[in-house]
Amino acid sequence: KNEVEQSPQNLTAQEGEFITINCSYSVGISALHWLQQHPGGGIVSLFMLSSGKKKHGRLIATINIQEKHSSLHITASHPRDSAVYICAVIETSGSRLTFGEGTQLTVNP
Amino acid sequence: GAGVSQSPSNKVTEKGKDVELRCDPISGHTALYWYRQSLGQGLEFLIYFQGNSAPDKSGLPSDRFSAERTGGSVSTLTIQRTQQEDSAVYLCASSSQTGLFYEQFFGPGTRLTVL
Repeated sequence: KNEVEQSPQNLTAQEGEFITINCSYSVGISALHWLQQHPGGGIVSLFMLSSGKKKHGRLIATINIQEKHSSLHITASHPRDSAVYICAVIETSGSRLTFGEGTQLTVNP
Repeated sequence: GAGVSQSPSNKVTEKGKDVELRCDPISGHTALYWYRQSLGQGLEFLIYFQGNSAPDKSGLPSDRFSAERTGGSVSTLTIQRTQQEDSAVYLCASSSQTGLFYEQFFGPGTRLTVL
């Protein structure tokens, strides 16, 4: 069992739909990242959070430390949101990231 | 530059050859990380440098892999006697601090293909 699990693995949506990607982890963490990887391979950090909720534009990330669960929401999805979304945690025992397998999101026009 | 840079962007080599991959972190960032993403798989940690401390090498898959960071800035990841299973995208990231609350910034990666 992976320390960081994401669901779903693949997600196809129509433009405008509300999207949720989930991340569960089994280790103690100091922070959690949501990353976006576009087809060209570049990785961008969307959020880093350790509690509560953060919002940036159409993206919202929440985390529940007690339940060891985080969600990434995309409102009014757009084809340019198509990418792989990766959840990664920083364990309390160290500084490196432990990654989920990623969620491939495809938003169709 | 403003971001993390890596070179080369692509490297094709023959099995058994040595390769060197370079990472230039964001100026002033004290922490530097190497990760690897094999085809169809998730990212995995390789090695981490923080300032002048001894690096955390716990993610290196074999003794053919080594890395150094000169002057607390540029880092080189070396793979000796490359094997086909080494083919992957090698990503470098840097952050201004370690652990809690400090965001990692990723470079564009080096795509390594071992024939």
